[in-house]
Amino acid sequence: NAGVTQTPKFRILKIGQSMTLQCTQDMNHNYMYWYRQDPGMGLKLIYYSVGAGITDKGEVPNGYNVSRSTTEDFPLRLELAAPSQTSVYFCASSYTAQSSYEQYFGPGTRLTVT
Amino acid sequence: KQEVTQIPAALSVPEGENLVLNCSFTDSAIYNLQWFRQDPGKGLTSLLLIQSSQREQTSGRLNASLDKSSGRSTLYIAASQPGDSATYLCAGEAAGNKLTFGGGTRVLVKP
Repeated sequence: NAGVTQTPKFRILKIGQSMTLQCTQDMNHNYMYWYRQDPGMGLKLIYYSVGAGITDKGEVPNGYNVSRSTTEDFPLRLELAAPSQTSVYFCASSYTAQSSYEQYFGPGTRLTVT
Repeated sequence: KQEVTQIPAALSVPEGENLVLNCSFTDSAIYNLQWFRQDPGKGLTSLLLIQSSQREQTSGRLNASLDKSSGRSTLYIAASQPGDSATYLCAGEAAGNKLTFGGGTRVLVKP
């Protein structure tokens, strides 16, 4: 299993541009998450999904959109990039909401908006 | 709203010394507490997960304890090695498997 994969690894955007961060997992996990990590800080939840067709907001959803058309994929969309969205973005997945299951993380996408 | 704090933000120890990393949380109604390791420029690797009904978990040189009544978790790393240098993050799980992360403790083990 590849686990959780993310593309691209790095990206530089100009203010106002849009892009989609891709996330795919091959573990048949039903839960998927998007986090952002600012320098020297912990991770903050942007959006999450409990299964195909179901998404919900996390702690910092403004400026982002998500979709979950399949179990495997959970893309994150930035419509009008702003400098405040400069961050490292991590996608994660877990098998179920039950407390005994861990979240597995992708390697991250480092995004700079200038 | 759950808040998770890790103090200190950075820690430097000589090789062989035991490491003690602290994590505190404000809402004792957590489902579990998870410890992660993050290497520079990399993603997160899960180290230990302690369920709310458990008091501790052990894996090799790592031991994590959980005290819900005091809102604290501690990660112990015995006989530290230079390869243990990394940032360690704790996260408390609320309903819906949503994690709230602390800011992390950056550890440097000097040879």
